[in-house]
Amino acid sequence: EDQVTQSPEALRLQEGESSSLNCSYTVSGLRGLFWYRQDPGKGPEFLFTLYSAGEEKEKERLKATLTKKESFLHITAPKPEDSATYLCAVQAAGGSYIPTFGRGTSLIVHP
Amino acid sequence: DAGVTQSPTHLIKTRGQQVTLRCSPKSGHDTVSWYQQALGQGPQFIFQYYEEEERQRGNFPDRFSGHQFPNYSSELNVNALLLGDSALYLCASSPLQGMGQYFGPGTRLTVT
Repeated sequence: EDQVTQSPEALRLQEGESSSLNCSYTVSGLRGLFWYRQDPGKGPEFLFTLYSAGEEKEKERLKATLTKKESFLHITAPKPEDSATYLCAVQAAGGSYIPTFGRGTSLIVHP
Repeated sequence: DAGVTQSPTHLIKTRGQQVTLRCSPKSGHDTVSWYQQALGQGPQFIFQYYEEEERQRGNFPDRFSGHQFPNYSSELNVNALLLGDSALYLCASSPLQGMGQYFGPGTRLTVT
């Protein structure tokens, strides 16, 4: 069974204090790993898709990396508007194309 | 280009009632998936529709049913509502077997 574990569950940062969120996964062959941002009461907003170990993608202050067992979402010099829950999901190769989601990391950035 | 849209935004129902939620996929997408998200949890897959048929189903009872129309829009129906059905219901669309899903804003269902 595919599993996704995100850590920490919650993270509080000061504005400008860089940090990383972790997504550990177990899947029988990875087709893709996805990162989403979700604001309270809203639907998840797609951020990145990573396909293979060693791949990196960037968007503004966010950078996602992928290894064979985990992915990191690095946040550089965060701003209060980066406060949100960040969700990770994996899609297994072959068979089901349904992604398995983690429970998310709730990030709060204080000014 | 309109993204995924859902209606209504919020809904309050009483135990035992039935509810229908609606979703229009992103332009160019023909596959619609429905998720239930409880507070503090990740989205849980309910089912996926393609070509007006249910292709895959998650671990949800038969009280949860759906439909997809020829224009790819979709409905989620829940019968005999329970208090535990209170959640944010998310619709996501994608090209068939495509990578990544785009989510709508969700419908907040409260069952009293």
